[in-house]
Amino acid sequence: AQSVTQLDSQVPVFEEAPVELRCNYSSSVSVYLFWYVQYPNQGLQLLLKYLSGSTLVESINGFEAEFNKSQTSFHLRKPSVHISDTAEYFCAVSDLTGGFKTIFGAGTRLFVKA
Amino acid sequence: ETGVTQSPTHLIKTRGQQVTLRCSSQSGHNTVSWYQQALGQGPQFIFQYYREEENGRGNFPPRFSGLQFPNYSSELNVNALELDDSALYLCASRIKITGGDNYGYTFGSGTRLTVV
Repeated sequence: AQSVTQLDSQVPVFEEAPVELRCNYSSSVSVYLFWYVQYPNQGLQLLLKYLSGSTLVESINGFEAEFNKSQTSFHLRKPSVHISDTAEYFCAVSDLTGGFKTIFGAGTRLFVKA
Repeated sequence: ETGVTQSPTHLIKTRGQQVTLRCSSQSGHNTVSWYQQALGQGPQFIFQYYREEENGRGNFPPRFSGLQFPNYSSELNVNALELDDSALYLCASRIKITGGDNYGYTFGSGTRLTVV
């Protein structure tokens, strides 16, 4: 069975500062990894994903995440955040077996201050 | 607009009642999953349907059941509602290609269920 741990429930940061949201996973099989973002009163939106190949993946709005197999981590980073990045961020893992069931972490609330 | 539509957006039910939540997926999305998201928590996997058959289930009792239809719509049914069932229920769909990659889910905006 897979599990996902997001180490920080809340991350406050000033605008234009760098940020890292941490995610560790546990799985006995190979997995796909995802980051989703949830704005207030909305569903989840896929931010980026790691399926295979290069361990560094990027989103269109400046976020990036690096898959580290030895540390079983998939931390999300952005070099300079904006007020509009304030949201809940969820790390998720999906196994490569037939069902592709996706398990989510508890979420990290990113709060960007002016 | 994500292409995944859920209805209703909000619902209030009394303990012991039954509820049906609906989801309309994007055309071609043959896999649909339902998640329960309690306040301040991450989504918890309820079950997944692929081509109208349940092919995965989380740690939820049998009073949570579902259906998937050929027209890419689906339902989540909950019987004998309990106060702890109050949550945001999310429908997520994707294309499952045999031997192919998992491209991630497209989520609807959810149905906020309140049980009183």
